[in-house]
Amino acid sequence: GAGVSQSPSNKVTEKGKDVELRCDPISGHTALYWYRQRLGQGLEFLIYFQGNSAPDKSGLPSDRFSAERTGESVSTLTIQRTQQEDSAVYLCASSSPDFEQYFGPGTRLTVT
Amino acid sequence: AQTVTQSQPEMSVQEAETVTLSCTYDTSESDYYLFWYKQPPSRQMILVIRQEAYKQQNATENRFSVNFQKAAKSFSLKISDSQLGDAAMYFCAYRSRGATNKLIFGTGTLLAVQP
Repeated sequence: GAGVSQSPSNKVTEKGKDVELRCDPISGHTALYWYRQRLGQGLEFLIYFQGNSAPDKSGLPSDRFSAERTGESVSTLTIQRTQQEDSAVYLCASSSPDFEQYFGPGTRLTVT
Repeated sequence: AQTVTQSQPEMSVQEAETVTLSCTYDTSESDYYLFWYKQPPSRQMILVIRQEAYKQQNATENRFSVNFQKAAKSFSLKISDSQLGDAAMYFCAYRSRGATNKLIFGTGTLLAVQP
């Protein structure tokens, strides 16, 4: 079946605007993760969804960041009032519980 | 909190030669997973190899193998018979056997393969 998909592939926005990033996980995967990758860095965990359980939001860097997931399908990551330090690649991954995470191609966000 | 350290920002290898990428980690847990991921310029994260901490045998996957030293908290990746397509960023990652299963990544090693 299809892999994890993310949209848009690239997003350029002005400082202070809100942005929404979308992730479509692999069908049947109950777990979904968002990570942030700053230039030249490793991935930082942002948030985790598992089925109908309360999400683990421990990695969200500020209250400007939020994410939603409808059931076991699409997730959106929203960044409000974007700042230049939010510029990064945002990667989504999905998995079956306790199995390997499969990553999407990421969204490159540039805040000007 | 767990941490992962990759002390080699860049490495270079000749085609067909062998190269070893280093990774150390810190944890107080006894049961966990370790991974190596490859990230080519396309940004797609590709799982290269996985090791369960309770297994003493080192994982192998074709030309890729690991040297897992649990007591030393070391997890190096050996790439044999290097190919041009192996050129990429390589990330070492740790995952607990816990509720979240989030991955904790090192900062990566950029591998260049010389023809």
